[in-house]
This record gives sequence, C-alpha cells and structure tokens, in this order.
Amino acid sequence: DTGVSQNPRHKITKRGQNVTFRCDPISEHNRLYWYRQTLGQGPEFLTYFQNEAQLEKSRLLSDRFSAERPKGSFSTLEIQRTEQGDSAMYLCASSRQGILRETQYFGPGTRLLVL
Amino acid sequence: GQQLNQSPQSMFIQEGEDVSMNCTSSSIFNTWLWYKQDPGEGPVLLIALYKAGELTSNGRLTAQFGITRKDSFLNISASIPSDVGIYFCAGQRSGNTPLVFGKGTRLSVIA
Repeated sequence: DTGVSQNPRHKITKRGQNVTFRCDPISEHNRLYWYRQTLGQGPEFLTYFQNEAQLEKSRLLSDRFSAERPKGSFSTLEIQRTEQGDSAMYLCASSRQGILRETQYFGPGTRLLVL
Repeated sequence: GQQLNQSPQSMFIQEGEDVSMNCTSSSIFNTWLWYKQDPGEGPVLLIALYKAGELTSNGRLTAQFGITRKDSFLNISASIPSDVGIYFCAGQRSGNTPLVFGKGTRLSVIA
C-alpha cells in the first residue's frame, strides 16, 4: 500500500492556460475526494466520487473546473482558463466505504501557481 | 465555506512542554479528526474520534470528542522539535460526507 499519490507535485502556469492534475487513491478505496487549500486556511471540499460516480460538488467548483474518475480508480481534476485566484494547493483524499470507521487519507497535494 | 473555530491560531512553546488546542463548531459532527500538516505536504491523520465522550491516545497525543458533539481537543505531551507543524481539526457528519476543517494551529517548538 503506497498511500494516495498526486501528480504533478508543483505546477506553474500562465493565466488563461488549462491545467490537469491526477490523483491515485489507496488501492481498494472506492471513495475519492478533492479539496482546495489556500494559504492560512484549512482544506475546503470541492467534489467527491464513489467509484466512477461524481456524487457531490461544492459551490467552490466553478464551471471552469471539471473532475473525472472514469474507471473508478484514478481521478483527474482539470481547470480551464486558469485565473490567479486558482493558485492554491489541491489535495486528494480517499476512503473505503463500508468499513465501520471510514477515514479519509490525504495525498501530498499539487501546488498550483497561476502567473 | 464553513470552517470550524480552532484555537489558538499559533503557539510557541519550549521543548518538553505540554500543548493543548481545541476546536468548536456551531453544529454537530459524528466524527472528529485531527491531522498534522508539514510545509508543502498533505495532512497526515493523527487521531480519529467516532463517539461522543471518546478519549483516544496515539503515543504522546491525546484527543477527546466533546460530549455535545460540537467540540474536540488535542493534547500533546512532552513536545519535541518534530512536533512543529500545523495541526488541523476536521469534523464529519457521516461516513460519506466531506470533511469540514478548522483554520489550523501553527505550533513552533523552541529547543
């Protein structure tokens, strides 16, 4: 078990460009969550998947953001037409549904800087 | 978005001292979690609490789930330099719901 992995770890882009991040959850974890964390704040929920189904999206997830989990394993988060306000740490977490005490485990995050 | 009220915001302590931090909410949570985050890394789970009144330890760390289900605290005994970091509390309403985080307590340990 290698834990939750995220790629890339860092991304610098120019305003207006599209970026895509990848998250590989812990194997056998069927739930996958995306959070965003800005400086001095705790992580804030963006969206979550159970298997390949996207079950909830927060109001933070504007229409420039899209997330997928096509085969119920890894997930991608795409931001189109990036803005400077999108600069943040994007965190992925996974958990296993059905066990008595379900807990979310986080990846190392992808830090995005939009110039 | 909603965030929990976490205090203190930061603390500077001498190595060997005990530390206490807490987290409160205006609404009920059925699970409370404490995470530690180092710079440039994701949060690492320290302790999970699933029952009101529960007191759980993990080495030098002890956390309690408040009886009202609206608060939790974390104690660190005999602090060491590697305890430096940001500690976050998180509440969860049920197993498949997102976590709601506090703003964190930044801990600095002076050797």
